Amino acid sequence: DAGVTQSPTHLIKTRGQHVTLRCSPISGHKSVSWYQQVLGQGPQFIFQYYEKEERGRGNFPDRFSARQFPNYSSELNVNALLLGDSALYLCASSFQGTIGGNTIYFGEGSWLTVV
Amino acid sequence: GESVGLHLPTLSVQEGDNSIINCAYSNSASDYFIWYKQESGKGPQFIIDIRSNMDKRQGQRVTVLLNKTVKHLSLQIAATQPGDSAVYFCAENSGGSNYKLTFGKGTLLTVNP
Repeated sequence: DAGVTQSPTHLIKTRGQHVTLRCSPISGHKSVSWYQQVLGQGPQFIFQYYEKEERGRGNFPDRFSARQFPNYSSELNVNALLLGDSALYLCASSFQGTIGGNTIYFGEGSWLTVV
Repeated sequence: GESVGLHLPTLSVQEGDNSIINCAYSNSASDYFIWYKQESGKGPQFIIDIRSNMDKRQGQRVTVLLNKTVKHLSLQIAATQPGDSAVYFCAENSGGSNYKLTFGKGTLLTVNP
């Protein structure tokens, strides 16, 4: 079975541009979360979606937005890119929308470089 | 504030030895903890988890210990292999969050052949 799949794997954008990152959860999983991982640090929570509804949001500016589609796939959008947005963006999926005995699996991530 | 920290940023062991990676957490309301392994250029890989109603949980070659009294978590890897070389993160559902994991900075484990 396929794991969590993300696209694109690598991309380079210019400051001020917009980016859309995509994620397909493990088949049967209804929850998708997004994390940002800056080089040398642990992942930081951005959003969680369950059954197409936003269940939680981390401490990120409004330039960051996301949505979940009826097939449970998800998009993360970032507007007005800044150099500091350069990071590995990770998508994670789980069967249920709650943490706690509900294994959370991560994809390989999308490497975003802003120049 | 909430944080998950690690005592040792790097750990170097010989192949075949046992490894112990430590983690301190600050939020006593956290009730679920996970260890992830992240190899260079890849996403975090689930290793093992533990709920706060347990003190110990064992997997294949790995054991997680939870000491709620001192808010300490450890990952023990038996008979460490070169393929175990990676960055290891502990994560918690800080404050008992239902939707958010808080990660520490990670420990780099290097296994020498």
